[in-house]
Amino acid sequence: QVQLQQSGAELVKPGSSVKISCKASGYTFTSYDMHWIKQQPGNGLEWIGWIYPGNGNTKYNQKFNGKATLTADKSSSTAYMQLSSLTSEDSAVYFCARWNYGSYDLDYWGQGVMVTVSS
Amino acid sequence: DIVMTQGVLPNPVPSGESASITCRSSKSLVYKDGKTYLNWFLQRPGQSPQLLTYWMSTRASGVSDRFSGSGSGTYFTLKISRVRAEDAGVYYCQQVREYPHTFGAGTKLELK
Repeated sequence: QVQLQQSGAELVKPGSSVKISCKASGYTFTSYDMHWIKQQPGNGLEWIGWIYPGNGNTKYNQKFNGKATLTADKSSSTAYMQLSSLTSEDSAVYFCARWNYGSYDLDYWGQGVMVTVSS
Repeated sequence: DIVMTQGVLPNPVPSGESASITCRSSKSLVYKDGKTYLNWFLQRPGQSPQLLTYWMSTRASGVSDRFSGSGSGTYFTLKISRVRAEDAGVYYCQQVREYPHTFGAGTKLELK
């Protein structure tokens, strides 16, 4: 069965960077885009962008250009998102989710990673 | 960016009643292939969002037929029939018609 297992919660200092992971199993990792979504405490969902692990192509929400960098490691079926120059506005839960081309939707989601930016 | 605006439910909703959640987009979500690129998700407390419907009205695999999506190019409704305790949570609409994909702010469903 399809599973997306994300890394654990992070407590990081302002101005630093953090890299979170999303390990995929149960399907061909290189054949599906992986999307990333941000959810601030008590708030809604915000789309960050996607990566196609097959060739490394990416697409970002312009709002996250320079903030988020998406990469993927085919050998371990793991997608990564690095967030840089962290501020309190980056404190949020970050989800990875698989994109289903056939129906244009996010059919499987990771459990989410809580990133807390605090000194 | 396409702005998605969701309505508010008159909470709490009595168990067994119906609930309709509305969502409006600032631009038509109908593409030239005739499909409407609007998805609905449910996020239960402490969980990840779960896909309910795609292409506005097609239920995702395993989703109860108590959930039905409908609408036009810019106005959409998710109807939940015979509401049950497990339906409680926040419902989000999402447009995937163009980038950046955008979500509504969410509509909370509480049960009585």
